[in-house]
Amino acid sequence: DAGVTQSPTHLIKTRGQQVTLRCSPKSGHDTVSWYQQALGQGPQFIFQYYEEEERQRGNFPDRFSGHQFPNYSSELNVNALLLGDSALYLCASSLPGDQPQHFGDGTRLSIL
Amino acid sequence: EDQVTQSPEALRLQEGESSSLNCSYTVSGLRGLFWYRQDPGKGPEFLFTLYSAGEEKEKERLKATLTKKESFLHITAPKPEDSATYLCAVQANSGYALNFGKGTSLLVTP
Repeated sequence: DAGVTQSPTHLIKTRGQQVTLRCSPKSGHDTVSWYQQALGQGPQFIFQYYEEEERQRGNFPDRFSGHQFPNYSSELNVNALLLGDSALYLCASSLPGDQPQHFGDGTRLSIL
Repeated sequence: EDQVTQSPEALRLQEGESSSLNCSYTVSGLRGLFWYRQDPGKGPEFLFTLYSAGEEKEKERLKATLTKKESFLHITAPKPEDSATYLCAVQANSGYALNFGKGTSLLVTP
């Protein structure tokens, strides 16, 4: 049973560029959430997608956007990259409601 | 605003030396409190969900408990393979986001 898979595993970009990160949820899960984890910190919620709609958004600027596809996979897009966007980006999938979110191993994004 | 504080930030134990990690929280209506384990370079691995005060969950050497203000993760007779960062998160009734603490970095030495 495949867990949450994310691609790519590592990415290096320069300031001002745009990036797209991808996530395939765990089999049977229909809800996808994205988190940003800075070094030494806990993950911070970016947004959650359910039924191809953004259901809740955290305190992140509009430069962060996402999409969910009919097969429940998801993308995270970040425009106009800043040095401070360097972090581990985690995708989590779940069943609706208070079911636990299961995380992938993340994409390590470095901005030069 | 929801807040999660974990203590200590770091903990070093000898193999077999039991201890507890603390997670203090404030939330406007608790939907669930979650414990995760995170190994270096990996994503968080789900351990437990607790829903109401008085609830307890156990898995091998780990036991999680919940009160109205805090949760404890008790580690009994730890082994070196229990070394990891342990993260606590709360989910409020009003939403779906997990609000994480900064974690406790646990090192168990032989």
